[in-house]
This record gives sequence, structure tokens and C-alpha cells, in this order.
Amino acid sequence: AQSVTQLDSHVSVSEGTPVLLRCNYSSSYSPSLFWYVQHPNKGLQLLLKYTSAATLVKGINGFEAEFKKSETSFHLTKPSAHMSDAAEYFCVVSRKRGTGTASKLTFGTGTRLQVTL
Amino acid sequence: ETGVTQSPTHLIKTRGQQVTLRCSSQSGHNTVSWYQQALGQGPQFIFQYYREEENGRGNFPPRFSGLQFPNYSSELNVNALELDDSALYLCASSLGTSGGQNTQYFGPGTRLTVL
Repeated sequence: AQSVTQLDSHVSVSEGTPVLLRCNYSSSYSPSLFWYVQHPNKGLQLLLKYTSAATLVKGINGFEAEFKKSETSFHLTKPSAHMSDAAEYFCVVSRKRGTGTASKLTFGTGTRLQVTL
Repeated sequence: ETGVTQSPTHLIKTRGQQVTLRCSSQSGHNTVSWYQQALGQGPQFIFQYYREEENGRGNFPPRFSGLQFPNYSSELNVNALELDDSALYLCASSLGTSGGQNTQYFGPGTRLTVL
């Protein structure tokens, strides 16, 4: 079984300050981990993914995440928040499987990021 | 490169009716997954189609069914609609050659309201 826990349902930061969105995962297998962002009334956009290469993963729009196996964490960070970063962020785990088998994504409950002036 | 598209954007149905939602996968992708996102929650996996065959299913009843066509587009059908089926339905496409590592690219979703 696999699951993710997003530790904060809501995070508020000032523009220009760092962002930290926390995620812990549970997986019986070597996981693939993703962060997706969802702006209001929009679909999901991939920010970054971890698939057992480098543990520090860089994504789009200045976001990055670090895979820490010992802590079963995959926290999302950004050095300086921008107003356009305000959205819902989802941490996602997927089990690596063989060719042609289902790659079900298991989503966390989401963290709403608010950015204030 | 064409992204994932879904139709319709919004849909209103009454309880007991049937609905069909459509998804066109990204060019070159052979795998389509469907997710249900209830208000204020994360998406939940419904099922996945790989090369026109169902290839995995989440905890959804049989009244949720699907199809994938030779061009890899897909349909989600829901029979006997219930109020709890009101949600955003998301389609995601990927290239299903190496299992869970594949990135799934999402469409904008179909907002279904059941009255």
C-alpha cells in the first residue's frame, strides 16, 4: 500500500519569503514521488518528480524538493514566493511497476498556499 | 504538441441519469487514467486504460466504466448517477512503457454536478 500525508492544509507566506510545503510518504515499494499544482478552476500541472535519480529534484518556476528516505519525506520548497504561486499543491506517490502495468497515482489531501503582499 | 483535452467543461445531470465524459490524450501517449476529485479533496484514481484494455482500477463501483479507442482517446461512463458523483473528473495521459515512473499529464477536467 502507498499513501502520502501533507502536513499542512493551509500555508500563508508573504511575497518574497521562502515557501515550505511538507509531505511524508508511505510505500512498501521504491516510490516515485511528484508534486502537482492546481490553480483555481484549472487542471493539474506537474511541478517536479523524483524517480530514484538525484535526491534533490529541481522543478519549474523555481520549486525544488528533496527526497529523504530516512525521514520518508519529500518536502517542496521555493526560496522566494511570488503572488502567482498561490494555488493548491498536491504531493503524489506512485509505485514503480513493470511495463504495461497500472501506474496509479495516490494523492495527498492538498496544501493551499496563500501569498500576501 | 497537443495537450490533454476533455469535454464537456461542465455538465449538470439529475440523479439516476447516465453520463459520458470524453478525453483526448496527448500526442504519442497510449495510456489514459481517470480520476475523481470531490470538492476540497485530492483526486482519487478510478481506472486506467493501456492500449485499449483496462489496466487497473480503484475503489469505484461497476457503474463507473470506460473505453479507450484505437487513437487512444477515452470515455468515462457513469450509470445511475448519485448525488455523491458530483465532482471534477480529471483525465491524464502518459506513455505507458515503464510503469510508475511515467509522468501523467492532466487535462483541465469536467465539472459534473448531479442534482
